[in-house]
Amino acid sequence: DVKVTQSSRYLVKRTGEKVFLECVQDMDHENMFWYRQDPGLGLRLIYFSYDVKMKEKGDIPEGYSVSREKKERFSLILESASTNQTSMYLCASSDPGTGGDETQYFGPGTRLLVL
Amino acid sequence: QQPVQSPQAVILREGEDAVINCSSSKALYSVHWYRQKHGEAPVFLMILLKGGEQKGHEKISASFNEKKQQSSLYLTASQLSYSGTYFCGTPDQGAQKLVFGQGTRLTINP
Repeated sequence: DVKVTQSSRYLVKRTGEKVFLECVQDMDHENMFWYRQDPGLGLRLIYFSYDVKMKEKGDIPEGYSVSREKKERFSLILESASTNQTSMYLCASSDPGTGGDETQYFGPGTRLLVL
Repeated sequence: QQPVQSPQAVILREGEDAVINCSSSKALYSVHWYRQKHGEAPVFLMILLKGGEQKGHEKISASFNEKKQQSSLYLTASQLSYSGTYFCGTPDQGAQKLVFGQGTRLTINP
């Protein structure tokens, strides 16, 4: 059974703190993604990675960075957390496909509150 | 560019039918549908890879009209377990990523 896990379900941090969100997948997938989910806005892509040490910006990368040192692990970093980064963060993984058939598998999400 | 879903929310009684639409201003090469139950991860439902394709899983089916650049998800005789938020996703051409719609929240009441 495919599995994507995220290090925390809930996090509370203070403004200015450095925050690490971890994601691990056990499917040997090449692609990994970080999304932010806010009511009415759907899933917005922050960063994605298609190989170890490779990363590409998504639609809303400002204020975030990522790290992928191992194939199975993709970390999202908030360098200096701000209140407008309070949100649900979802990690996903997929294998490269052809013709747009890359099914994504999601983790359970981390709900981050920045005070 | 983000696909547009309609309606944004719908409330049904158990046993009623629902249709969720997903439209894009860009050419669609495929459409993915996901469902996210409250407090859970989004789960893949189905993918439609070519125009005219229709697929079904139990009482949930979907169609893909390539010319109209839209897809529709049909939920027939809805069950309480169908409640959740439904997302469509379309591939970003040339990239291994999806662009998701804003979601449609479906509530099924007894």
